[in-house]
Amino acid sequence: AQSVTQLGSHVSVSEGALVLLRCNYSSSVPPYLFWYVQYPNQGLQLLLKYTSAATLVKGINGFEAEFKKSETSFHLTKPSAHMSDAAEYFCATTRAGFGNEKLTFGTGTRLTIIP
Amino acid sequence: DTGVSQDPRHKITKRGQNVTFRCDPISEHNRLYWYRQTLGQGPEFLTYFQNEAQLEKSRLLSDRFSAERPKGSFSTLEIQRTEQGDSAMYLCASSPRGSENYGYTFGSGTRLTVV
Repeated sequence: AQSVTQLGSHVSVSEGALVLLRCNYSSSVPPYLFWYVQYPNQGLQLLLKYTSAATLVKGINGFEAEFKKSETSFHLTKPSAHMSDAAEYFCATTRAGFGNEKLTFGTGTRLTIIP
Repeated sequence: DTGVSQDPRHKITKRGQNVTFRCDPISEHNRLYWYRQTLGQGPEFLTYFQNEAQLEKSRLLSDRFSAERPKGSFSTLEIQRTEQGDSAMYLCASSPRGSENYGYTFGSGTRLTVV
């Protein structure tokens, strides 16, 4: 079964500082991995996705993530935090090559930006 | 196309009442998913359709829950005899079939409060 674990339910960083949100996956088959952002009372917006084309994935709003098979990780980073980055972030996974099956989500990380 | 639409955005109901939510997917997407998100948690998979066929149902989907997608277009999720534990955000997503484009698009959700 596919699963993801997000380390740290709350992360606070100063404006302009590096953002690092951690996600580790567990999978018996090659995974596809996603990061979504959710603002209060809103749905989920896709930040980026790993679908085996490249291990370093660049997404929207300056975010990127690197797939590391040896570490079973897919951590999300942004070099310089902005106040507008304050939101809930979810890592998600599905099985590679099975054509848009259901996503399995982590429990989320709430990112707070300190002015 | 304006994306995935969900209606209503908010619903308050008394315990024991029935409620129905609607989801209109992106028109060219033939897969449609329902998720439930409780406070402080990641979305949990409920069910998904390919066209009008319901392909998978989670064990979370008790007998009080039923989902339909007549004609493979919009979908409805009905909860009968609501309980306070049903209070959650119900999210709908759609995606195109196929293994080359893992593009899940989420709606803004329906927030259900059972009093």
